[in-house]
Amino acid sequence: GAVVSQHPSRVICKSGTSVKIECRSLDFQATTMFWYRQFPKQSLMLMATSNEGSKATYEQGVEKDKFLINHASLTLSTLTVTSAHPEDSSFYICSARDARSEQETQYFGPGTRLLVL
Amino acid sequence: AQTVTQSQPEMSVQEAETVTLSCTYDTSESDYYLFWYKQPPSRQMILVIRQEAYKQQNATENRFSVNFQKAAKSFSLKISDSQLGDAAMYFCACGRIGAQKLVFGQGTRLTINP
Repeated sequence: GAVVSQHPSRVICKSGTSVKIECRSLDFQATTMFWYRQFPKQSLMLMATSNEGSKATYEQGVEKDKFLINHASLTLSTLTVTSAHPEDSSFYICSARDARSEQETQYFGPGTRLLVL
Repeated sequence: AQTVTQSQPEMSVQEAETVTLSCTYDTSESDYYLFWYKQPPSRQMILVIRQEAYKQQNATENRFSVNFQKAAKSFSLKISDSQLGDAAMYFCACGRIGAQKLVFGQGTRLTINP
């Protein structure tokens, strides 16, 4: 149980294009999903908290117009990197909380490696 | 605000031996959870163990156990009978109950020597 998928696992795009990353909870419902960014050999940096049916909450310093988050259903959240630039190249990880669980555990997706040329 | 500190960037241990990874945290909250996550080379984050702060008993999951010292705000992870598959980055994390989001430490890279 508690499986989270991400798609795509890798993406290479040209500078200026937009990239959409999907995060799905496969066997549970997630009212809350989280988007992290991880640079090489560093820890996870929380970018935003995605709440089903409402606007995402962004961490300080994260541009909401740059990183668009949509959480349209209890099993799907999407992160769109708009007008991507080389500095947006990174490893993006999502996680999800089981709506029925009181234990605050986040289950993570396998991550998406983004390379912007 | 919460902070989590892992003071050991790297650790190594011989296969079948025991190793302890350190973690300290700072929080003003009374109700919170603590976690250890493992990130192997595949980069998939895997939950290793979870501890509720209101529980005095240390959590245990097979070869993994924690030493939770609430007053000292310390949450170390002990791995017994280390196996080659335990090689990974280990992240300690803290989350206030109800706040949803987690704060992660810097990570400790664990190497298992055969």
